Amino acid sequence: QVQLVESGGGVVQPGGSLRLSCEASGLTFRSYGMHWVRQAPGKGLEWVAFIRSDGGNKYYADSVKGRFTVSRDNSKNTLYLQVNSLRGEDTAVYYCATDISYSYFGHWGLGTLVTVSP
Amino acid sequence: QSALTQPRSVSGSPGQSVTISCTGTSSDVGGYNSISWYQQHPGKAPKLIIYDVTKRPSGVPDRFSGSKSGNTASLTISGLQAEDEADYYCCSYAGSYTWVFGGGTKLTVL
Repeated sequence: QVQLVESGGGVVQPGGSLRLSCEASGLTFRSYGMHWVRQAPGKGLEWVAFIRSDGGNKYYADSVKGRFTVSRDNSKNTLYLQVNSLRGEDTAVYYCATDISYSYFGHWGLGTLVTVSP
Repeated sequence: QSALTQPRSVSGSPGQSVTISCTGTSSDVGGYNSISWYQQHPGKAPKLIIYDVTKRPSGVPDRFSGSKSGNTASLTISGLQAEDEADYYCCSYAGSYTWVFGGGTKLTVL
């Protein structure tokens, strides 16, 4: 079965950086575009970033553009999100999810929590 | 990239039907059939329950159904069961490889 396991979250000061990872198994990772979606505590879901299956094209929500960078290593079945210049409003659980036909998110990980606090 | 509009909460008794609306614009909901719905129980990851407006993944009961008219999509849950109590989110493709979610609806089964 498909498993997506996020890691790399933690507590970081405003202005700090983290690299989140999402390790995939049970699927042909290199065939899937991948998303990052986040959820602030007690709030709704927010799409963050998308990377195509070959890593050649990347797209971002306006709220993170210029601060976050999505990447992938298909040889390691792993998706990454480099998060820089962190702000309080970036505090959230970050989920990775598979893209299906640019239409929907088929499989989700359990998420990793990023807390931005002085 | 404004969030789609959903009611904050809906409720119904076991066995009844409820409908959750999701309103966007012609640039997202009205412009594409890439509408999906996700169920999220507290502390859990979201789960896909409807995709491409009306389709259900295998394993999702046929009590869940989706539709769309103009700029508004809808999720209907019939024959409400206690385990349906959860948060529900709609999502639409919004063009240029961006996606937008609704604000979420809390379903209470009375």
